[in-house]
Amino acid sequence: NAGVTQTPKFQVLKTGQSMTLQCAQDMNHEYMSWYRQDPGMGLRLIHYSVGAGITDQGEVPNGYNVSRSTTEDFPLRLLSAAPSQTSVYFCASSYGGQGYGYNEQFFGPGTRLTVL
Amino acid sequence: AQSVAQPEDQVNVAEGNPLTVKCTYSVSGNPYLFWYVQYPNRGLQFLLKYITGDNLVKGSYGFEAEFNKSQTSFHLKKPSALVSDSALYFCAVRDMDTGFQKLVFGTGTRLLVSP
Repeated sequence: NAGVTQTPKFQVLKTGQSMTLQCAQDMNHEYMSWYRQDPGMGLRLIHYSVGAGITDQGEVPNGYNVSRSTTEDFPLRLLSAAPSQTSVYFCASSYGGQGYGYNEQFFGPGTRLTVL
Repeated sequence: AQSVAQPEDQVNVAEGNPLTVKCTYSVSGNPYLFWYVQYPNRGLQFLLKYITGDNLVKGSYGFEAEFNKSQTSFHLKKPSALVSDSALYFCAVRDMDTGFQKLVFGTGTRLLVSP
């Protein structure tokens, strides 16, 4: 059971480039989400999904796109990278179903992105 | 909107001494509260949660947290700190305004345990 996996671990982009951060989980979790972590700001929610085919915006969605075609995968796309998107990105998943508000999230190891 | 506050950027404690990492919350109903820990260059790991019931919640690695409704606090505690407890700790609350879909995090508290 690999849990939540993220690739790549590190990435350097130039301003204006696009890329996709990959996230996969093998726990059959319904809920998946993307956060960015910046110093002194904790984790901020970018986008989340409550199941395959269903996504919604979080706190800081601008400049990012997501899709959820399968239960397992939840990629995050940067459309045109900007220096303000330099951050550490975490993917997380959790069980759904009745009482899902009670459930803890499982986090991936993170992707450290630098935009020059 | 739901929120949590962690008033201390860093907490320093000597190994063997008790530790407390503070968290206060602001919610419009009953809070669903969580503590997570982040070790260097790692993702966050779940420590414990409060949903309802006993105000003292026990979690992983010997940590516990005390829920205090009158003080709107959910402080993380451990009776005897270890050097290996040094990490970044986050308090979080479920956002009830969105049907619990979102988890709102505090800014984090760095715990440094000295030998």
